[in-house]
Amino acid sequence: AQSVAQPEDQVNVAEGNPLTVKCTYSVSGNPYLFWYVQYPNRGLQFLLKYITGDNLVKGSYGFEAEFNKSQTSFHLKKPSALVSDSALYFCAVTYGEGANNLFFGTGTRLTVIP
Amino acid sequence: EPEVTQTPSHQVTQMGQEVILRCVPISNHLYFYWYRQILGQKVEFLVSFYNNEISEKSEIFDDQFSVERPDGSNFTLKIRSTKLEDSAMYFCASTTLGEQYFGPGTRLTVT
Repeated sequence: AQSVAQPEDQVNVAEGNPLTVKCTYSVSGNPYLFWYVQYPNRGLQFLLKYITGDNLVKGSYGFEAEFNKSQTSFHLKKPSALVSDSALYFCAVTYGEGANNLFFGTGTRLTVIP
Repeated sequence: EPEVTQTPSHQVTQMGQEVILRCVPISNHLYFYWYRQILGQKVEFLVSFYNNEISEKSEIFDDQFSVERPDGSNFTLKIRSTKLEDSAMYFCASTTLGEQYFGPGTRLTVT
């Protein structure tokens, strides 16, 4: 069975500090991993993905994520947080090739404090 | 930049009524999805659609739900007889292969 865990419901970080939003996954087969961001009253916006290749993936708005197969993790990071990064972040996983449905984590609310 | 669109943005309906949620996926995409998000909870998969048929569905997608692609552009989700617990944000998504692109959602409120 496929599943995603986001252990932190809430992450607070000061503006300018590095941020990390944690995600671990469980999947049968090769994982396809994604991060999405949701702003209030908005849909899900794609940030980045890992399919194969380099374990460090760079995405939109200066975000990056590191795929760690041994720890089955895909943590989202940013070197310097902005107040505008405050939002709800979802990690998602699917499996194998093709366009299979996504399994989402419960989300982490990131608050960047000015 | 092409985007997925959804209408209406908010739908209020009475329990037992039928509702149709509409989506226009990105034009060259081949795979279509519906997800829902109950307030404060995670996004849950409902159904996927490819080549004019359902390719996968979750346990949530029972006989009260149906999907259709009535023409070359629209993708609809119908709930035949709404229940209070159907109140949620419903997201449409589409893809070729790779990341899925989500619409802004339809907030369904069942009273």
